[in-house]
Amino acid sequence: DTGVSQDPRHKITKRGQNVTFRCDPISEHNRLYWYRQTLGQGPEFLTYFQNEAQLEKSRLLSDRFSAERPKGSFSTLEIQRTEQGDSAMYLCASSLLGGRHVKETQYFGPGTRLLVL
Amino acid sequence: KNQVEQSPQSLIILEGKNCTLQCNYTVSPFSNLRWYKQDTGRGPVSLTIMTFSENTKSNGRYTATLDADTKQSSLHITASQLSDSASYICVANTNAGKSTFGDGTTLTVKP
Repeated sequence: DTGVSQDPRHKITKRGQNVTFRCDPISEHNRLYWYRQTLGQGPEFLTYFQNEAQLEKSRLLSDRFSAERPKGSFSTLEIQRTEQGDSAMYLCASSLLGGRHVKETQYFGPGTRLLVL
Repeated sequence: KNQVEQSPQSLIILEGKNCTLQCNYTVSPFSNLRWYKQDTGRGPVSLTIMTFSENTKSNGRYTATLDADTKQSSLHITASQLSDSASYICVANTNAGKSTFGDGTTLTVKP
């Protein structure tokens, strides 16, 4: 399977614990996005990388959230001191952005569903 | 502020029937609009993409329309199937690649 993969698919944790999610994008894609989605809502943008550089972070991304993409390939999203309000689906997407590539297509992974008790 | 509003919020139809989902967007500078299908517990999958110069785009039983003047788009599903049950999300993108997602329309197709 050459699509976007995410690990784990499900995570249950207790409030106050730290969690880390991993995303493996499509191999030649240079952009990687993280989104959060709650039930009945569309995905909310959190942050994105172009290669290894983190180019934008949403104000939704509090200081408890950190994302990395150290070698421009896979990415991790860490949430420290989790709160019940962090319970959501965390989606990763990747895309290939070229010089004249107007119709950038984001390919989404299956998501990691987080439940904070 | 960039916004995407979708209607209806949810829809129930019988198998074999047609339906139309609506999307109104306020995004500037507008580049393109995309419809995604999201099955329960899965990530969204792209159905169609249209730039401001394209009025309609088809993908099998899915037909999307775009009116860049009124900033409206629709997704028409023909001869619905049980597997069409999903959330359909409209996404408007700017020239800089910034995406604004709607909250989706939840479609349930019943036998």
